[in-house]
Amino acid sequence: EILMTQSPATLSVSPGERATLSCRASQSVNTNLAWYQQRPGQAPSLLIYGASTRATGVPARFSGSGSGTEFTLIISSLQSEDFAVYYCQQYNKWPPVTFGQGTRLEIK
Amino acid sequence: EVLLVESGGGLVKPGGSLRLSCAASGFTFSSYPMNWVRQAPGKGLEWVSYISSASSYIYYADSVKGRFTISRDNAKNSLYLQMESLRADDTAVYYCAKGTAAGSPPFDPWGQGTLVTVSS
Repeated sequence: EILMTQSPATLSVSPGERATLSCRASQSVNTNLAWYQQRPGQAPSLLIYGASTRATGVPARFSGSGSGTEFTLIISSLQSEDFAVYYCQQYNKWPPVTFGQGTRLEIK
Repeated sequence: EVLLVESGGGLVKPGGSLRLSCAASGFTFSSYPMNWVRQAPGKGLEWVSYISSASSYIYYADSVKGRFTISRDNAKNSLYLQMESLRADDTAVYYCAKGTAAGSPPFDPWGQGTLVTVSS
């Protein structure tokens, strides 16, 4: 099973600033990596797949990068609706599909 | 609009059973694999089970293998999760989620979830 580790667990950033979230895989997942956003009380929604491709309707301020074992999600200018929990997910070697433990992005 | 609506959650005693349903609309249900993912209160996401479009391939997380059964009825655009021998650590919100036509993740979209509480 591939273990996904996200850092930091919590990130405090001011609106308008940039946020950088990290995700590390215990072995290479190539670019078979997705990012999800989960707002409070809501279901997760897909942001990024293939490590860097934005899902339909996702604003351009969200960008993903990386390959192999190291991945990054950058939100370039934080809006109020971006404060949420973010999860990475690998789908290179499955089952099982595995998720990171999440990064909570909070308002500073 | 693609829509997934789960139902069937509730309070059940340890050792009990429950059947979850997921009603799909807005896409050709029979062409896509489906998944169940759960989230314990205040915790992260855990993939539970996968079923391919024609039910040819079925996978489970080790934590539920032998206790849960995934199935689908393409004529009714519905996905199911039969849960047996429920334990306290099965308490979670259960989401159904659509996979890609290629048969793999990612998952998009997700339903709103249904809460299963296992407690005496």
